[in-house]
Amino acid sequence: GENVEQHPSTLSVQEGDSAVIKCTYSDSASNYFPWYKQELGKGPQLIIDIRSNVGEKKDQRIAVTLNKTAKHFSLHITETQPEDSAVYFCAASMRGAQKLVFGQGTRLTINP
Amino acid sequence: SAVISQKPSRDICQRGTSLTIQCQVDSQVTMMFWYRQQPGQSLTLIATANQGSEATYESGFVIDKFPISRPNLTFSTLTVSNMSPEDSSIYLCSVAGGGGTGELFFGEGSRLTVL
Repeated sequence: GENVEQHPSTLSVQEGDSAVIKCTYSDSASNYFPWYKQELGKGPQLIIDIRSNVGEKKDQRIAVTLNKTAKHFSLHITETQPEDSAVYFCAASMRGAQKLVFGQGTRLTINP
Repeated sequence: SAVISQKPSRDICQRGTSLTIQCQVDSQVTMMFWYRQQPGQSLTLIATANQGSEATYESGFVIDKFPISRPNLTFSTLTVSNMSPEDSSIYLCSVAGGGGTGELFFGEGSRLTVL
């Protein structure tokens, strides 16, 4: 089955700097790669996703890149703000929302 | 989008007891998913619950331990049976967005602590 590895497990950056979180997946049949943000005491919330027919997607300060050959994808957050502090999870699936396999999570801390 | 309400939000349970978690969605959905998030860990899919049929369990999860009900298109329950401290986790209910977007909407979770 699919296996998703996520790095780093913790990341601390200065406010205004950029943050990058990386994930690798094992199953070349996976075609959907979402990123979720989980704030303390809340359920995860989708922030951006990408499908295998696209190499990059951007939404304001957030971007995701996908390298199908290398089977890895990354989340890029620019101009970080204190409210970006949270746990971020990547995931992969070959069936959309069904059978999502999540990475281990990255705790991002933005230092003022 | 979907608004998902879970009850209880948290509970402290004694070893050997069972607890039922309720999940209510503000719209009709075909599939509901139950996830477990152990302390500081990732999310693991327990089972997929379809209305009118038996839930489909993932490897490592069995119906006797995690019985699920899905009586209608807006409601589901997950029971954690014969609990042990290893069952201390956050249990999350989720549904898929409409239109085949692939987006999952999550409830805020039920944090269970087993003593």
